[in-house]
Amino acid sequence: DTGVSQNPRHKITKRGQNVTFRCDPISEHNRLYWYRQTLGQGPEFLTYFQNEAQLEKSRLLSDRFSAERPKGSFSTLEIQRTEQGDSAMYLCASSTTGPNQPQHFGDGTRLSIL
Amino acid sequence: AQTVTQSQPEMSVQEAETVTLSCTYDTSESDYYLFWYKQPPSRQMILVIRQEAYKQQNATENRFSVNFQKAAKSFSLKISDSQLGDAAMYFCAYRRNRDDKIIFGKGTRLHILP
Repeated sequence: DTGVSQNPRHKITKRGQNVTFRCDPISEHNRLYWYRQTLGQGPEFLTYFQNEAQLEKSRLLSDRFSAERPKGSFSTLEIQRTEQGDSAMYLCASSTTGPNQPQHFGDGTRLSIL
Repeated sequence: AQTVTQSQPEMSVQEAETVTLSCTYDTSESDYYLFWYKQPPSRQMILVIRQEAYKQQNATENRFSVNFQKAAKSFSLKISDSQLGDAAMYFCAYRRNRDDKIIFGKGTRLHILP
């Protein structure tokens, strides 16, 4: 069990650029979640997948955001035309299916918009 | 909508003493789960303890225990024999039974004084 892996750990980009983050869940976990955490706040839910199907999206996930999990393994989160307000820590978590299965979090990707 | 409120942005406790972190939540559901997560500085979020709403008995994990008051919608975390490694942000969190997303509070930063 190598844990949830997120890359990159840090991303600095100019406003208006596109960025993509990757999350590799724990291998046997079929559920994968994305959260966003801004400074001084708790994580906020963005979206989640069961296998390759995206089952729920938050209203926080604007049209500039897209998430994929094409083969039901790793997932990518892309932000197009980044804005200052996108600066945050983006957290990925994974779990197995079943009642009350705990979500295991990765270290996160910190995005800074210049 | 479900909300989670942590009214203590920061707390300090002397090493080896006991500290209690407060959390209240709002929901109209009867079946849900409550969690406390720990997020050390620059490290990943880890689950400390969880409570099923249908269980009357308070959950305990070693030095960590909760006081779950369902009618009052209160879910406090008690840390006994505080250790330096307990210093972190602590997030109270809620999950509706039929949902997978977790709703987090804003967190309480806990300082351990040597």
